[in-house]
Amino acid sequence: NAGVTQTPKFQVLKTGQSMTLQCAQDMNHEYMSWYRQDPGMGLRLIHYSVGAGITDQGEVPNGYNVSRSTTEDFPLRLLSAAPSQTSVYFCASSYSLDRGDYEQYFGPGTRLTVT
Amino acid sequence: GIQVEQSPPDLILQEGANSTLRCNFSDSVNNLQWFHQNPWGQLINLFYIPSGTKQNGRLSATTVATERYSLLYISSSQTTDSGVYFCAVEQEYSSASKIIFGSGTRLSIRP
Repeated sequence: NAGVTQTPKFQVLKTGQSMTLQCAQDMNHEYMSWYRQDPGMGLRLIHYSVGAGITDQGEVPNGYNVSRSTTEDFPLRLLSAAPSQTSVYFCASSYSLDRGDYEQYFGPGTRLTVT
Repeated sequence: GIQVEQSPPDLILQEGANSTLRCNFSDSVNNLQWFHQNPWGQLINLFYIPSGTKQNGRLSATTVATERYSLLYISSSQTTDSGVYFCAVEQEYSSASKIIFGSGTRLSIRP
């Protein structure tokens, strides 16, 4: 199993540009989520999904869109990049939160800089 | 929403020392996890522990759900234990099933 994969690893955007951060998992996990981590801070939830076709907002959803057309993939779209979106983005997956004893797996992260 | 506070924010220890990291949360939770982020940024799940005590080698964790806190114990610290330790909670009775992270404890183990 590859686990949770994220692409790209690094990205530099100009203000106003759009892009998609890719996330895929091969563990058949129902729950997937996107977090951002700013320097010296914890992870903040952007969006999450409890299954294909179902998404919801986290703590900091503004400026980001998500979709979940398949169980495996959960892309994050930046609509119009702003310097405030400079951060490290992590994708995570796990079995359903209703399952009980589950473990959350994280991807390696995407370091995004918006100039 | 639920508040998750971790203490201390920073901890510097000599190799071989023991440490206790604390996570307080402001509301009832369905579950709680501890993570380690190594100096290269990789996040590793340490424990899933909504209540009770678990041990894994030199690490152990205890959650007292009724008092809304969890403790992570690291014994005989090694330099490889350095990094940031996060707790994350899923709020109880939340229709949104969100997982919220604390701001972390940065642990530095000196040889």
